[in-house]
Amino acid sequence: DVVLTQTPSILSATIGQSVSISCRSSQSLLDSDGNTYLYWFLQRPGQSPQRLIYLVSNLGSGVPNRFSGSGSGTDFTLKISGVEAEDLGVYYCMQATHAPDTFGAGTKLELK
Amino acid sequence: QVQLQQSGAELAKPGSSVKISCKASGYTFTSYYISWIKQTTGQGLEYIGYINTGSGGTNYNEKFKGKATLTVDKSSSTAFMQLSSLTPDDSAVYYCARVGYDGTYYYNYWGQGVMVTVSS
Repeated sequence: DVVLTQTPSILSATIGQSVSISCRSSQSLLDSDGNTYLYWFLQRPGQSPQRLIYLVSNLGSGVPNRFSGSGSGTDFTLKISGVEAEDLGVYYCMQATHAPDTFGAGTKLELK
Repeated sequence: QVQLQQSGAELAKPGSSVKISCKASGYTFTSYYISWIKQTTGQGLEYIGYINTGSGGTNYNEKFKGKATLTVDKSSSTAFMQLSSLTPDDSAVYYCARVGYDGTYYYNYWGQGVMVTVSS
């Protein structure tokens, strides 16, 4: 199975600070159809995961544009440009290029 | 609006089975697959498998073959997952999520989760 390694595991930030989370894959996530099936989710305490980014860099419906995704191949990044209080929680990357779908271990974003 | 409403928490004994449901509303049920995901503190998020809600065809993560059985009732727009031969390792929160035929629509809606506790 594809292993997704997220760093850091814990991220402390102040409100308004810009932060980045890395997700590195054990295999290239570029599919033979030309798509890269890499996704980002936020799970707030007590809630279900919420999709933020799909196909590496596309913003999900209703997701604030302070979130952005980038990367290719095996290296991907989620950036939050100006953390807000509602952004606190655990962030996960997920790949669906190679069966089975797999998730990273998560990055907990907390207030400094 | 799209909603995936899951059934309530389950307390089950080791060796028994549970069947949890995921009722969809707000969209054409058979136009999207339903995937199931397990979440534990120790193992994080794990993909169990998906069901093609139109044909009933299934795809399972090898790890969950023999443990999970996915079914669907199109008449009620409901997907089901049965977990059998339960052990304490099956204690977890289980989510259903909608998955489209196009990567754009993967995992954009999730159920609220069902907590399954396996204990004697």
